[in-house]
Amino acid sequence: GNSVTQMEGPVTLSEEAFLTINCTYTATGYPSLFWYVQYPGEGLQLLLKATKADDKGSNKGFEATYRKETTSFHLEKGSVQVSDSAVYFCALSDYKLSFGAGTTVTVRA
Amino acid sequence: GAVVSQHPSWVICKSGTSVKIECRSLDFQATTMFWYRQFPKQSLMLMATSNEGSKATYEQGVEKDKFLINHASLTLSTLTVTSAHPEDSSFYICSVPGSSGITDTQYFGPGTRLTVL
Repeated sequence: GNSVTQMEGPVTLSEEAFLTINCTYTATGYPSLFWYVQYPGEGLQLLLKATKADDKGSNKGFEATYRKETTSFHLEKGSVQVSDSAVYFCALSDYKLSFGAGTTVTVRA
Repeated sequence: GAVVSQHPSWVICKSGTSVKIECRSLDFQATTMFWYRQFPKQSLMLMATSNEGSKATYEQGVEKDKFLINHASLTLSTLTVTSAHPEDSSFYICSVPGSSGITDTQYFGPGTRLTVL
């Protein structure tokens, strides 16, 4: 079956540091890939997505590229802010949505 | 995108009682909604797919007689936890898919925290 393996946290960074969260997947078909973010006290919301190989999703300074050859969808941001503190979930979807374990990111001023 | 609400946001109940959780799509008609369960510091696990006008589809290992799902209308799905026990304490989240269905963006409710004493 499908599965998502996500870098475990927690991750603590200083403002303006570079952030990367690794995500790899196993899928039998050609899934869509997503990063969802859960800010403290809020529901999950879409951060970015990619629907086919070599697509790059981007939003709010975050980027992730759908790499079929390495079955990866790593999340990156060049300069984080305190407001980026949240839990980040990698997910894939073909016939159902499968989530990674989530990575808690804390950015210190 | 869709705006999804859940009610209540938290509930405490005694063991053996039943609890109903509502999921509403406020601005989008949804023939399908999804129910997830999230344990502390863990990921979301899909419990079931709620289908308007037909029976819900449950994931393997989810007791359909314990977690009753009713998709009452195109904007409302309910999850009833019957004869709740402490092990049912969890965070329950619903989602509404975008127009392309399961492969599209999901719009999540804020979740309901259930505590069973």
